[in-house]
Amino acid sequence: GAVVSQHPSRVICKSGTSVKIECRSLDFQATTMFWYRQFPKKSLMLMATSNEGSKATYEQGVEKDKFLINHASLTLSTLTVTSAHPEDSSFYICSAPALGGGELFFGEGSRLTVL
Amino acid sequence: QQQVKQSPQSLIVQKGGISIINCAYENTAFDYFPWYQQFPGKGPALLIAIRPDVSEKKEGRFTISFNKSAKQFSLHIMDSQPGDSATYFCAATLGNFNKFYFGSGTKLNVKP
Repeated sequence: GAVVSQHPSRVICKSGTSVKIECRSLDFQATTMFWYRQFPKKSLMLMATSNEGSKATYEQGVEKDKFLINHASLTLSTLTVTSAHPEDSSFYICSAPALGGGELFFGEGSRLTVL
Repeated sequence: QQQVKQSPQSLIVQKGGISIINCAYENTAFDYFPWYQQFPGKGPALLIAIRPDVSEKKEGRFTISFNKSAKQFSLHIMDSQPGDSATYFCAATLGNFNKFYFGSGTKLNVKP
């Protein structure tokens, strides 16, 4: 089946630095990808929709200048957490819908820890 | 307004028992209802899904029951196994798959 790969799976950074997380669709093209944030023992919170060839669409309350999303190609979307702070520590998960719908494939997630 | 409500928050079942997780939704326009299984430190994986034109779908030990009039759907895990211990999320979306609305999750613990 289709696979979505995320990298890195874990990252630790210092407060004030920026971190980039990559999301790749390995065997299918994804014009749209979704970025979620998940707090411990909580559900997935949609942060933004990444659109190939256009600007990302952010959910209400998500700072677009802090969470930069770039859909560089039909198989790659990146999330950059800028000027990270400890409160940005979380589990970030990307997903991509199968072409024509029918299923949403999730990446393995990226655990960000900001010291 | 929470679009999808899930219960219970946690569930303990003995090996071989039946695990039942319930979800209710608000938007009658939703037309795809998947269930996802998530193990600690991993991304969610699709377990089983149903569309509102059927009342039940079974895949192996997993069954979705769907009640369109009540706007409710549930996941039944028959013969529950310790390996089923995970967090389960229900979800709902419109046909364009533009946005998935997730339930709050149920942490299932199957005791041997």
